Amino acid sequence: SQTIHQWPATLVQPVGSPLSLECTVEGTSNPNLYWYRQAAGRGLQLLFYSVGIGQISSEVPQNLSASRPQDRQFILSSKKLLLSDSGFYLCAWSLDGGFYEQYFGPGTRLTVT
Amino acid sequence: DQQVKQNSPSLSVQEGRISILNCDYTNSMFDYFLWYKKYPAEGPTFLISISSIKDKNEDGRFTVFLNKSAKHLSLHIVPSQPGDSAVYFCAASETQKLVFGQGTRLTINP
Repeated sequence: SQTIHQWPATLVQPVGSPLSLECTVEGTSNPNLYWYRQAAGRGLQLLFYSVGIGQISSEVPQNLSASRPQDRQFILSSKKLLLSDSGFYLCAWSLDGGFYEQYFGPGTRLTVT
Repeated sequence: DQQVKQNSPSLSVQEGRISILNCDYTNSMFDYFLWYKKYPAEGPTFLISISSIKDKNEDGRFTVFLNKSAKHLSLHIVPSQPGDSAVYFCAASETQKLVFGQGTRLTINP
């Protein structure tokens, strides 16, 4: 069966510091991978998605970036965090060729102080 | 421009009764619709989905209805149980992406 991991679970970072959140998927090959953010009281906002190694599509211009160095690894980064980057970050995967059901990881609660 | 809208931020239902969660969309190109359930501090879990070629899909206590002419879908939960208390998101598929609504917080009262 497939499993998705995210870490860390919680993170408190000062403004201006860098960020690296990691997501890995087990039990499937060539998944589509996604990064979402849920701000307080808001819905899920798609940040990035990837259909293969090195292929990243950005949905929202911001100071975040994403990379996919390996087939089942997806990384969300920032060089300098802003207060507005606080939120709940979720990684998700879906089957290659099937762009419908997405399966989410446990999430990372990021607080920028 | 919000393409998927859940106009009720919250809903309170008595245990054993029916819960009806609603969702509206504007993009007629959406061809697949999904409902997710989310507990606090956890990732959303997939509940049920429906293709645009159908108007109803049922899975146990959960039924999703799609009215394409009205661009409206709803999730029915019967009977409602305390464990159903969560935030429910509807989502619509557009090529490789899902577009989510803002969510509805469902509270089941004993």
